[in-house]
Parts: sequence; C-alpha cells; structure tokens
Amino acid sequence: KNEVEQSPQNLTAQEGEFITINCSYSVGISALHWLQQHPGGGIVSLFMLSSGKKKHGRLIATINIQEKHSSLHITASHPRDSAVYICAGLGGATNKLIFGTGTLLAVQP
Amino acid sequence: DAMVIQNPRYQVTQFGKPVTLSCSQTLNHNVMYWYQQKSSQAPKLLFHYYDKDFNNEADTPDNFQSRRPNTSFCFLDIRSPGLGDAAMYLCATSRHDRGRHNEQFFGPGTRLTVL
Repeated sequence: KNEVEQSPQNLTAQEGEFITINCSYSVGISALHWLQQHPGGGIVSLFMLSSGKKKHGRLIATINIQEKHSSLHITASHPRDSAVYICAGLGGATNKLIFGTGTLLAVQP
Repeated sequence: DAMVIQNPRYQVTQFGKPVTLSCSQTLNHNVMYWYQQKSSQAPKLLFHYYDKDFNNEADTPDNFQSRRPNTSFCFLDIRSPGLGDAAMYLCATSRHDRGRHNEQFFGPGTRLTVL
C-alpha cells in the first residue's frame, strides 16, 4: 500500500463541471503539495498547505490533519485543466516529498 | 520572473556517452534537488544539495553524479548513460528556513533520450 494514495486514478469531466481529487496519507508529514503535470511536461506547484484551506483562482485545496486527508477542487473546469494532478507529502522526519499515485484528469469541451 | 531553469529541454545522447544536464535558479533557494521521472511513474529523488552539502539517496546508481558550483547552479552528470536512463529529469529548489522546509519549485524538466 502506498504511503500517499489518490483517488480517482482517472477522471473524465465535461467542461464547466466541479472536480474533486482526493488524497489520503498514512505517514507523518509536515505539509502537503498539490502538483500539476501536463503530458510530457514539467511539474508546476499549485499549493503547499499544512492546515486549513487555500484558494488560487479556480483551484481550492483543503487539508484535514486529523483525518490525514486532502482534497483539490477545480471549479468551472476547462479543457486546459487536463493534466496529471499529484499530491505529495513533505516527510516530517526526512523533509523529502512522498509522491501520490497521480490522478489523470481529462476535461472534454 | 524568478524561476527554475533547465537546459537543455531535450537531450539526445548515445549509449555510454557522458551527458550533463543543467539547472539554474533565481530564487536564491539554499536546497536544490534532482529527480528522475520515467513514463507514467512518480518522480524519484536522486540526490539533493543543502547549501554545499551533497545528500545522495541510497538507491541512486553511481553512474549519476552532481555538482553545485554556487547557489544558483546545479548539474547532473550521467557518466555512462544506459537505455534505462532515458527519462525526464526534474530539478527543484526550496528554501530551508528556521528548521522548516518550504514549498518546492520545479523546473520544466529535461527529457533525455538514449540511443
């Protein structure tokens, strides 16, 4: 079992839909990253959060430390949001990123 | 804009021919990381520099070396690339400040092809 699990693994949505990607972790972390990677491309850091909620444009990330769970929400989804979304925990002891399994999102026009 | 830059974006080399990948940053971050990412897999940390201190991951092959001549630049040297080393190589930086590691910022990556 991976230390950081994401669901779903694959997600197809229609343009304009509200999207939620979930991340659960079983190890101690000091913070959690949400990352975006377009096919064949590099990684863009969307958020790093250690508590509560952060919002940037149409993206919202939340984390519940007690439940060891985080969610990434995309409002009014657009085809350009199509990418792999990765959550990664910053290891509390090691300060290294522990990557989740990734969620492949396809937003259809 | 402050950023993490990687050169080249695409690199083709021959089996066994040494290759060097470059990363530079204008963020003045004291930690720099090199990751290897193979198709459909999560990035794998190869090593990182904390200031001038080099930290190798236990399972990183000896074929992979790194240099950090100053705060801004970090190089990944692959001494004898094999076919299995074909991958995307990602550089990232972060600031370690007052006992806490902050957000990692990634470069666009260098896609390495080994012929």
